[in-house]
Amino acid sequence: QKEVEQNSGPLSVPEGAIASLNCTYSDRVSQSFFWYRQYSGKSPELIMSIYSNGDKEDGRFTAQLNKASQYVSLLIRDSQPSDSATYLCAVNLGSGNTPLVFGKGTRLSVIA
Amino acid sequence: DVKVTQSSRYLVKRTGEKVFLECVQDMDHENMFWYRQDPGLGLRLIYFSYDVKMKEKGDIPEGYSVSREKKERFSLILESASTNQTSMYLCASSTSSGSGSLGLREMIVQFFGPGTRLTVL
Repeated sequence: QKEVEQNSGPLSVPEGAIASLNCTYSDRVSQSFFWYRQYSGKSPELIMSIYSNGDKEDGRFTAQLNKASQYVSLLIRDSQPSDSATYLCAVNLGSGNTPLVFGKGTRLSVIA
Repeated sequence: DVKVTQSSRYLVKRTGEKVFLECVQDMDHENMFWYRQDPGLGLRLIYFSYDVKMKEKGDIPEGYSVSREKKERFSLILESASTNQTSMYLCASSTSSGSGSLGLREMIVQFFGPGTRLTVL
């Protein structure tokens, strides 16, 4: 079974701290990785994509990919209460024209 | 910007009714998807389509059917709604890359519509 695993949380961090969200995946040929943010009652919105090993930074967000260890993480620096949401990790299995596989998400709570 | 729209934000139906959920995207994407999302269960794929008139079953197709007569429109049909189909329904669309790591086309990032919260009484 090809899977994407995330800790469900809730992950609570104080305002201004770094929030670290982790995701592991089971398929070694996976090549494309995405982080979505979902506010309560809303639909997921894409915040980061990463395709190569290493770090990719976009504002306060940094995605980190380690294909050898099969994990991808999202760091949120200077966390704000508005970052409180569920973060979904999504992986392309790399086995042809198939949908992304989504993790169940990690709920992040940033405490003011 | 990619825009995916869904016909209703909220819908209330009665058990046994036939329900149509419509999704339209304006980016000429080849691929379209229907998910349902329930607390604790994450996103679950119902059906997807990678071309007009093509459809593939996802993880939970039972009780649902789909129709894709035009590239921009993908409809989800509940033939006879039941209370266990009360859920948030999310439509998404994506394009495919020309050549992935295995030389195959790969579906890439998916964009979601706003969702339809369906209640079946």
